[in-house]
Formats: sequence, C-alpha cells, structure tokens
Amino acid sequence: GESVGLHLPTLSVQEGDNSIINCAYSNSASDYFIWYKQESGKGPQFIIDIRSNMDKRQGQRVTVLLNKTVKHLSLQIAATQPGDSAVYFCAEMDAWNTNAGKSTFGDGTTLTVKP
Amino acid sequence: DTGVSQDPRHKITKRGQNVTFRCDPISEHNRLYWYRQTLGQGPEFLTYFQNEAQLEKSRLLSDRFSAERPKGSFSTLEIQRTEQGDSAMYLCASSREGLQPQHFGDGTRLSIL
Repeated sequence: GESVGLHLPTLSVQEGDNSIINCAYSNSASDYFIWYKQESGKGPQFIIDIRSNMDKRQGQRVTVLLNKTVKHLSLQIAATQPGDSAVYFCAEMDAWNTNAGKSTFGDGTTLTVKP
Repeated sequence: DTGVSQDPRHKITKRGQNVTFRCDPISEHNRLYWYRQTLGQGPEFLTYFQNEAQLEKSRLLSDRFSAERPKGSFSTLEIQRTEQGDSAMYLCASSREGLQPQHFGDGTRLSIL
C-alpha cells in the first residue's frame, strides 16, 4: 500500500551545524506535506508545510524542499540547537481523495544534537 | 488558542475492561482526528470527524473501538474489552477544513495489565 517513509531512523549532529532530514513518499496523488516534531511524552508539533505546487518553503531556521519527480521531501534545520533534539515525522495528505482529511505518517527520524 | 487537550493523560486498566478517552479540540477547528502511536512508530490514523459527522474509519478500528463527536465539539474514543495489543498512545488532533496542518494534543497513554 501507499506509505510515507524516512531514509534514516537516527541522525546525530553537532550543535551549530545544519541538519537535513529526508523523507520518501510513494503516493503520487499526495499534494500536501507536513513536517512535525515530537518530543518525549508530547504530541507531534507542527513545524512547516508545503503544497505540491511549490518546491521550497522557508520558515524560521527551517526549510522544506519537495522534489515531486523523485517523490522526495526534506527538512533542513539551520544552526541546530539542543532544543531541536526530537523525533521528526513527515506526513502527507491527498486532498482529492473523497472526504480527505487524514495524514499518513512515516516512522520518524530521531535527531540528537551534541553540545 | 488554548490547544488540543486530552484526558486522561495516562490510563492503566486490566485486560477486558472498557476505557473512554476525551479530546477537546481547538474551538474554531471543525475537523477532529484520532490516531494511535506505538513506541518507535509514527501515528496511525484511526478515524476523523468533520463537525459531528464521522467521515472515515481505518481498518485498524475494530468493532471494539467507537468514537463520537455528538455536538461537533469534543470527542470521545471508547475501547471495549481491552486487549494487551491496545496498549499505545492515543493521540487526538484538530484542524480547519482543507489543506491545513493538524494540531495534536499530548495524548492518552493506555497500559493494559
């Protein structure tokens, strides 16, 4: 079936470095993508989103890149800080699906920031 | 915007008992979602409501699971005759209609003894 997957389950970076977290998706009908951050004991927290008619979107210290040709999504975090340590999930939605509303999540990448 | 709240945060019960969880979404959001998350995995979709209408249910949602949103505001998720495999974090989220991000609560952690 369709799924949203992440390339690496874990990523360790030095404080101050840039982080890149990758996600591959297989549903070509997906037209909305979201990155979430989940800290221990908490629910996922929205970071940034992108629609399929865009290939790049920037937020504060974060950038999402979308490559529809190879069905790949990435999250770039600039100047990574210890507070960025968490599990990061990508999720996708297919807005044209009847009664569309659910998000399909990958299994997450655990980011560890070393001081 | 007070966020999505879930109650209780933790629930420990014996196998075979019934449990009910409550979710209060962000007030202006008309969509409400339930997900289940096990350790090391991403959230798995269970069901969602638009206002009071339950529009989609996952195959994961067995007959023992039922969700309601009677007045289009808060929602409850009930699990009857709980089993060991029901142990998980149950997450609720809400959103506006359309291509909008979902805002999650901090979940109810269910442990079955």
